[in-house]
Amino acid sequence: EDQVTQSPEALRLQEGESSSLNCSYTVSGLRGLFWYRQDPGKGPEFLFTLYSAGEEKEKERLKATLTKKESFLHITAPKPEDSATYLCAVQAWDNDMRFGAGTRLTVKP
Amino acid sequence: EAGVTQFPSHSVIEKGQTVTLRCDPISGHDNLYWYRRVMGKEIKFLLHFVKESKQDESGMPNNRFLAERTGGTYSTLKVQPAELEDSGVYFCASSQGSGTNNEQFFGPGTRLTVL
Repeated sequence: EDQVTQSPEALRLQEGESSSLNCSYTVSGLRGLFWYRQDPGKGPEFLFTLYSAGEEKEKERLKATLTKKESFLHITAPKPEDSATYLCAVQAWDNDMRFGAGTRLTVKP
Repeated sequence: EAGVTQFPSHSVIEKGQTVTLRCDPISGHDNLYWYRRVMGKEIKFLLHFVKESKQDESGMPNNRFLAERTGGTYSTLKVQPAELEDSGVYFCASSQGSGTNNEQFFGPGTRLTVL
């Protein structure tokens, strides 16, 4: 059965303190791995799609990487406005998306 | 371009009542998905429409839930009769779904509270 595990559950950083969020997955035939950002009271906001091991994508202070077993979301010099819950989801070719429980990131000024 | 919209944003009903949630996808997106997040749990898939056809409804919890997408445009999700465990946030998402254009864009969700 497809599984997605995110760690840590919560992460508190000082502004400017870089770190990484982890998404470990098992899936029968990966179609894509997705990262979303979710703010309180809102729907998930699309960030990245990764399709194959070795792929990397960047957007502002965020960089997502993918291996055959896990994905990392690296946050460089975060700002308070980066505070949110970050969700990872995997999609198999014969299935719809399975989400992880998310990592709740707080960046303090 | 308008994103995915959902109505209502909040709904509070009593056990045994009926509630209908509505989702308007991004224009031109053939694929429409319903998801649910119950308290403390991860977002879980409910079902997937391609145009007006149900592609996959394996995530629907039971026959109290009925989803429709008449004409392949907006979709409704009806819960009848509602039970306490149906409380949660219901999200709708849409995607183009062709080739690598399968990113799903989410609406703001409907928060359902069953008392």
